[in-house]
Amino acid sequence: DQQVKQNSPSLSVQEGRISILNCDYTNSMFDYFLWYKKYPAEGPTFLISISSIKDKNEDGRFTVFLNKSAKHLSLHIVPSQPGDSAVYFCAAIPTSGTYKYIFGTGTRLKVLA
Amino acid sequence: GAGVSQSPSNKVTEKGKDVELRCDPISGHTALYWYRQSLGQGLEFLIYFQGNSAPDKSGLPSDRFSAERTGGSVSTLTIQRTQQEDSAVYLCASRPSGNTEAFFGQGTRLTVV
Repeated sequence: DQQVKQNSPSLSVQEGRISILNCDYTNSMFDYFLWYKKYPAEGPTFLISISSIKDKNEDGRFTVFLNKSAKHLSLHIVPSQPGDSAVYFCAAIPTSGTYKYIFGTGTRLKVLA
Repeated sequence: GAGVSQSPSNKVTEKGKDVELRCDPISGHTALYWYRQSLGQGLEFLIYFQGNSAPDKSGLPSDRFSAERTGGSVSTLTIQRTQQEDSAVYLCASRPSGNTEAFFGQGTRLTVV
């Protein structure tokens, strides 16, 4: 039972355009949502997070949107740069139980120069 | 360095052997996590340590897997009688108290032949 889903395994975007990565969640209540970026042979690095009481959080080129009624989370990167090419994971922290991260399966973003 | 350090970076072992994976978290971080990423999969939660509390072991896939955290710092993940399906990248992360995001190490790539 995958609680956090990333239905697009890959995405290609032209440099300078907007990249939109999507994440859906089901069933459980979550307190926070996070996005991590992962380069090959490296560990994931934190990008941006959002509390469940907010609907938007912005940090430079990165903006995360949360639509609670649709149980949908998205990460916008604008403008996209070739260095943004990586695998992006969304993660959620449940409201109850231990403070652990439930990750999606990831979306591979390729930014074309 | 100041980041999460994992050793070894790569480990090749024969089926049936035991392996130990080590994680040195960031100093002062009270929470420590182990995740694994199998080929083409997302990050799978294994175990979570928080201070002196009993660890959340709910993600350990079988009783061949165990982990300990000594003195609230270094953690060791042990896999006994390794199987080919244990082949994956094992990731450790730590988080300071009051923070939302965790910081990941570079991972240990385990290959069982």
